[in-house]
Amino acid sequence: DSGVTQTPKHLITATGQRVTLRCSPRSGDLSVYWYQQSLDQGLQFLIQYYNGEERAKGNILERFSAQQFPDLHSELNLSSLELGDSALYFCASSEVGQDPSGNTIYFGEGSWLTVV
Amino acid sequence: LAKTTQPISMDSYEGQEVNITCSHNNIATNDYITWYQQFPSQGPRFIIQGYKTKVTNEVASLFIPADRKSSTLSLPRVSLSDTAVYYCLVGDSNYKYIFGTGTRLKVLA
Repeated sequence: DSGVTQTPKHLITATGQRVTLRCSPRSGDLSVYWYQQSLDQGLQFLIQYYNGEERAKGNILERFSAQQFPDLHSELNLSSLELGDSALYFCASSEVGQDPSGNTIYFGEGSWLTVV
Repeated sequence: LAKTTQPISMDSYEGQEVNITCSHNNIATNDYITWYQQFPSQGPRFIIQGYKTKVTNEVASLFIPADRKSSTLSLPRVSLSDTAVYYCLVGDSNYKYIFGTGTRLKVLA
């Protein structure tokens, strides 16, 4: 158990809908990362937050947004969903935000999103 | 951004030592090298991290040559349960922790 908690574990929704995925980082971790992994594909970096502020952005679609709250949990919002958005969405966390040297990222077990 | 290159797949037999090499030619001075293991439908799991020379823990060893342009993950005496995808990740000063394609290791009986 990495200590990173993601909810829901599974979600099925229709095209055009909006969903919110939630992540609680490990205790003490200030950074949160979101990744998308489609079937048999690699891990696509979406976005990173550090202590409530956006730190880095990857290939995140404009239909997707995220935020990190004062209690450090994070939410990933996916809107106008398309069939191609079906994937496993991972949240990860780490202690370090200011200096990436030696940073170790710990992953949750993911949220399975199926768009039908 | 230090791009990583790994073999796409490898096969091994139970009980053998497996070495997976990752190339990261433009690694920056402050970058660490981290390896992760991922089973299907699970989150990647931290295996080992190093900066230079050799690091060993209870599950693996990591060898990093002096020029740090590559690294080798060594798994001693693999078992069927080591069948997974292994990712090499190099720290990024822009905070974009981008994973490569990974190496799909298949351990055969």
